Amino acid sequence: AQKVTQAQTEISVVEKEDVTLDCVYETRDTTYYLFWYKQPPSGELVFLIRRNSFDEQNEISGRYSWNFQKSTSSFNFTITASQVVDSAVYFCALSETLRGSYIPTFGRGTSLIVHP
Amino acid sequence: GAGVSQSPSNKVTEKGKDVELRCDPISGHTALYWYRQSLGQGLEFLIYFQGNSAPDKSGLPSDRFSAERTGGSVSTLTIQRTQQEDSAVYLCASSLVTGGRAQPQHFGDGTRLSIL
Repeated sequence: AQKVTQAQTEISVVEKEDVTLDCVYETRDTTYYLFWYKQPPSGELVFLIRRNSFDEQNEISGRYSWNFQKSTSSFNFTITASQVVDSAVYFCALSETLRGSYIPTFGRGTSLIVHP
Repeated sequence: GAGVSQSPSNKVTEKGKDVELRCDPISGHTALYWYRQSLGQGLEFLIYFQGNSAPDKSGLPSDRFSAERTGGSVSTLTIQRTQQEDSAVYLCASSLVTGGRAQPQHFGDGTRLSIL
């Protein structure tokens, strides 16, 4: 079983629509970290957010928001009023303390296409 | 800029040849990671360096793959006797290391390797 599951392979929306990218994870750790990264067409992955397992507060940054729910092992990412520049592949990742070095396990990514 | 630098950006070589991929991490980042990304796939972990040592080589797919890091800085990933299945984008990332906390990774633009 995958440790990080991003079930949505590709999502296509029209500009200004809201879109939620799902991330479900699996771990036996009580302390762990979750990340979201964005990979635009140019190729370079960019860090978006880190959340540790003890902090279940949702976070909002501009048009981006993240909903962390330990009860469902999910860390979903919502883009409000999407824009063409949001088109990218988005990766969710899990770093477990059991692994010692916190090497993250990445999901397969969700490709978001925002049409004008 | 002061980001992670990878070279070459693109490499095309014939099957059976050896290739060397280089990564220059962000200054001060003691952790360095190599990943492989095939078309439509997530990030496949290859190897992790802490300083010059590699405590986790578990992701290297075969003994044709090796990596080293010198001076706690530049790393080289070497693939010997390349095969067509080695064709992929090879990504390097670096991060700080702070006790008890997983740090965000900073990625380079990657090396796109094509084996003819």
